[in-house]
Amino acid sequence: AQSVAQPEDQVNVAEGNPLTVKCTYSVSGNPYLFWYVQYPNRGLQFLLKYITGDNLVKGSYGFEAEFNKSQTSFHLKKPSALVSDSALYFCAVRHAGGTSYGKLTFGQGTILTVHP
Amino acid sequence: DVKVTQSSRYLVKRTGEKVFLECVQDMDHENMFWYRQDPGLGLRLIYFSYDVKMKEKGDIPEGYSVSREKKERFSLILESASTNQTSMYLCASRYTLLTGQATSPLHFGNGTRLTVT
Repeated sequence: AQSVAQPEDQVNVAEGNPLTVKCTYSVSGNPYLFWYVQYPNRGLQFLLKYITGDNLVKGSYGFEAEFNKSQTSFHLKKPSALVSDSALYFCAVRHAGGTSYGKLTFGQGTILTVHP
Repeated sequence: DVKVTQSSRYLVKRTGEKVFLECVQDMDHENMFWYRQDPGLGLRLIYFSYDVKMKEKGDIPEGYSVSREKKERFSLILESASTNQTSMYLCASRYTLLTGQATSPLHFGNGTRLTVT
């Protein structure tokens, strides 16, 4: 079985400050990890992914994420938050092998609010 | 840009009705998915399809069925709608690389908010 945990339901940060949205995972074998963002009344948009290689992954809109295998974490970060970053963020992990090939499991989501 | 279109943005149905949710993608993607999104529960996979006429149950398939007769269209069917199926339904598609690794991202539609009364 595979699972994702986003330990914070909500994260609040002031504009211009760095932000972190946390994610931990459990999966058999090597993980493939993803971050998605959802703006109000919209579907999810892909931000970035970790497949293999460099542990620091850069994505859209200035976001990056760090894969830490020993801590089974994949935290989303941005050096300087913008009010427009306010949204719902989802972490997801890919199921490894079997008939459920490629199936993604999502976390419960974290609401990020950036205050002016 | 990939476009995933869900036919209805809002839908209100009565208990016991048969409900069809339609999803169409325009990029010849092999894989398609139906998720439901509920506050505090994130996205939960209902069904997915590797390719035309192929389907596999996700984590919460009870009360749902699917149809994929053409590559671009993936339909979710609620055989007899119940109030606990009130939710936001999200369709997604994905390109499968030739290597078969399925590491490309999902492309989502804007969702259908279904209310069953």
